[in-house]
Amino acid sequence: AQSVTQLDSHVSVSEGTPVLLRCNYSSSYSPSLFWYVQHPNKGLQLLLKYTSAATLVKGINGFEAEFKKSETSFHLTKPSAHMSDAAEYFCVVGKTGGATNKLIFGTGTLLAVQP
Amino acid sequence: DGGITQSPKYLFRKEGQNVTLSCEQNLNHDAMYWYRQDPGQGLRLIYYSQIVNDFQKGDIAEGYSVSREKKESFPLTVTSAQKNPTAFYLCASSNDNSGANVLTFGAGSRLTVL
Repeated sequence: AQSVTQLDSHVSVSEGTPVLLRCNYSSSYSPSLFWYVQHPNKGLQLLLKYTSAATLVKGINGFEAEFKKSETSFHLTKPSAHMSDAAEYFCVVGKTGGATNKLIFGTGTLLAVQP
Repeated sequence: DGGITQSPKYLFRKEGQNVTLSCEQNLNHDAMYWYRQDPGQGLRLIYYSQIVNDFQKGDIAEGYSVSREKKESFPLTVTSAQKNPTAFYLCASSNDNSGANVLTFGAGSRLTVL
């Protein structure tokens, strides 16, 4: 069985300060983990993915995430927030080598960036 | 540019009417998916298709129907049997042969029932 929990439904940061969006997962298998971003009234765009290679994964737009098996976490970070980062972020868990239709989406974290 | 086109972007429906949402992709992906998104919830899978002329129910298929007559197209019909159809609908595709499980999404269709 698999599940994913995004610990914060809303996060607010000031422009230029670090971003931390938290994601914990549960999986009976070797997990694949993803972060997607969704701007208002748009589709989701892949930020990054972890598939059992390096535990620190770098994505687009300066985002990165670290896979920590001991903590069952896959938190998303960015050193310095930009106004354009304001969006909703989804953590997604799957099974390495498993079917795409079995992906499980978190409930999302809405990131607000204050000027 | 390769991608997924969903139409219409906004749609209003009266209760008791069926509506069809269009999804077209030019990525040459075999697999296509329909998700429903409601505020404060993750995406929920409605239907998926891994190959032409074949499709499977997802987690919330009741009140919905699909067809997959062409590789590029995967339309979703929201029928009058769907009790709460107001939502944001997202179509996606994937190249499952790669094993990467990466989804490419369309821009979505927002359905409102009046």
